[in-house]
Amino acid sequence: ETGVTQTPRHLVMGMTNKKSLKCEQHLGHNAMYWYKQSAKKPLELMFVYNFKEQTENNSVPSRFSPECPNSSHLFLHLHTLQPEDSALYLCASSQDPAGGPIEQYFGPGTRLTVT
Amino acid sequence: GNSVTQMEGPVTLSEEAFLTINCTYTATGYPSLFWYVQYPGEGLQLLLKATKADDKGSNKGFEATYRKETTSFHLEKGSVQVSDSAVYFCALAGGQGAQKLVFGQGTRLTINP
Repeated sequence: ETGVTQTPRHLVMGMTNKKSLKCEQHLGHNAMYWYKQSAKKPLELMFVYNFKEQTENNSVPSRFSPECPNSSHLFLHLHTLQPEDSALYLCASSQDPAGGPIEQYFGPGTRLTVT
Repeated sequence: GNSVTQMEGPVTLSEEAFLTINCTYTATGYPSLFWYVQYPGEGLQLLLKATKADDKGSNKGFEATYRKETTSFHLEKGSVQVSDSAVYFCALAGGQGAQKLVFGQGTRLTINP
């Protein structure tokens, strides 16, 4: 596998369910990101991890819980979501952003539908 | 803070037409500028980038020039194809105190045969 992979690609869950999204990067990067992409809204940065440490949380509700066990893996744990949380969730990775502005590489996304 | 403004879509063109998608930015310092493309059902892919004023990024026939005097990074292609149909995002990173990527709202492009 190369690049950034995400599983599952599609997920339908009820508001009382608990599920997790998984992201894996094979690029040797140190930073990983979660974004939310909703229809007709700009891409929203949710979380940033650099060298496994969370460096940014953009006021994301606590029903979204990230986990980064190592620099290659990133999870997003979901519980008691709302219908408005339905969106495409994108994972990305990059080299250490503290070294200067740098491009990010994206996975294909998980299409989440909350019923 | 940093921000990016793109021309509103959707944009619909015929095959072989000339394409321009406008992008302007607000940032302090000297950011790097990017264009990403998102094909249907996929994540974002880096299309091209420019890291300093007057740099021209190019890839797959697309070009964009970093214009500091007009704070712009317009995307152009001389002859579009049906396969160029996608959503295009302008983004910036860097400048004073901001290393994360800031995206524009995206422009949906449809090319008709």
